[in-house]
Amino acid sequence: QKEVEQDPGPLSVPEGAIVSLNCTYSNSAFQYFMWYRQYSRKGPELLMYTYSSGNKEDGRFTAQVDKSSKYISLFIRDSQPSDSATYLCAMSARYGGSQGNLIFGKGTKLSVKP
Amino acid sequence: DAGITQSPRHKVTETGTPVTLRCHQTENHRYMYWYRQDPGHGLRLIHYSYGVKDTDKGEVSDGYSVSRSKTEDFLLTLESATSSQTSVYFCAINTGSNSGYTFGSGTRLTVV
Repeated sequence: QKEVEQDPGPLSVPEGAIVSLNCTYSNSAFQYFMWYRQYSRKGPELLMYTYSSGNKEDGRFTAQVDKSSKYISLFIRDSQPSDSATYLCAMSARYGGSQGNLIFGKGTKLSVKP
Repeated sequence: DAGITQSPRHKVTETGTPVTLRCHQTENHRYMYWYRQDPGHGLRLIHYSYGVKDTDKGEVSDGYSVSRSKTEDFLLTLESATSSQTSVYFCAINTGSNSGYTFGSGTRLTVV
């Protein structure tokens, strides 16, 4: 079993839809959880950062962490064609050191149709 | 924003030749990383560095070496390139405990 599992999609939705992206993980020591967005032929860029459990909201984006279920989610409200990208989850057990190295999911490719 | 540049952006090389990719940061961040990204595998850590001359192996380090003689530069070397090393290579820096990683734009390497 991989440490981080993410459905690769692809996922296609109409403009304005609510999008739900998810990752599961096996390492209960993970405390830092991130979502990155990667446009085609570009480097990943940090979208959301969450420490430990709970929710975090930033505009149309909401990140949720459920450590008891080892499950994290990213919700995108009122999705736009500009949201079309690959979304990668990432997590680590600590900041810095070998346990601070981020472990990435394989990414979910999202397409938002006008 | 943390400045991070990778060079070259694209490279085609022949099997068996050595190749060096460069990552340069304009700030003074301690942690730097090299990842490769392949379809079906996602981002996989090759090597990382936690300071000048302090480096360690990641998940897929075989066939790669790194060097960090200055804080701002992190070099990735393929000693003898193979076709299996055809990939997109990303450098990243850790910009702080609440900031995650900042990635470079990537180097697209083709080994023929």
